[in-house]
Amino acid sequence: DTGVSQDPRHKITKRGQNVTFRCDPISEHNRLYWYRQTLGQGPEFLTYFQNEAQLEKSRLLSDRFSAERPKGSFSTLEIQRTEQGDSAMYLCASSLMGTGLDGYTFGSGTRLTVV
Amino acid sequence: DQQVKQNSPSLSVQEGRISILNCDYTNSMFDYFLWYKKYPAEGPTFLISISSIKDKNEDGRFTVFLNKSAKHLSLHIVPSQPGDSAVYFCAASEGGSQGNLIFGKGTKLSVKP
Repeated sequence: DTGVSQDPRHKITKRGQNVTFRCDPISEHNRLYWYRQTLGQGPEFLTYFQNEAQLEKSRLLSDRFSAERPKGSFSTLEIQRTEQGDSAMYLCASSLMGTGLDGYTFGSGTRLTVV
Repeated sequence: DQQVKQNSPSLSVQEGRISILNCDYTNSMFDYFLWYKKYPAEGPTFLISISSIKDKNEDGRFTVFLNKSAKHLSLHIVPSQPGDSAVYFCAASEGGSQGNLIFGKGTKLSVKP
């Protein structure tokens, strides 16, 4: 297993365009998380899935953001009508369902730049 | 309002000495605390965790201490190695939820040979 894969690694888009990111978790992991990290900040929680069910969403996830995990495997995160404030590193992570002590495995992230 | 605070943006330590990274939190409902390490251009990597019912957890060169009354935790790295140079994030969650980790802003550790 190659770990958590995210595609693309970098994305530059014009303001107002839609973008979609993909995350492939570790195959046996049933939980998948999306976080966002801006410069000088720690990762901020966006949403997470257990299998195909989206169990929790942050208030940071405005109605321009949507995430799916249709078959409980890979996930996509779409941002519609991008704004400059959306520029950030988008991190995906996965884990087995367990205690809060187990930690996640993060991917290397997708860096989004909105110009 | 930040619930998890890492007040030192950076720390420089000599190789072989102890590195101590600190973290304070405000939410008394947090019951799990984790440390992650991040190298440039990579995602964070889980290091070590502790539950609120313990005051110490050790894993090799890494030890995490929790002081619940002070709402403070620290990560000790002994001995420090140049490969430990990275950004370290403290994170916390409440209610046994694995879904929503609250991260601090991170501390950049530099270990000099």
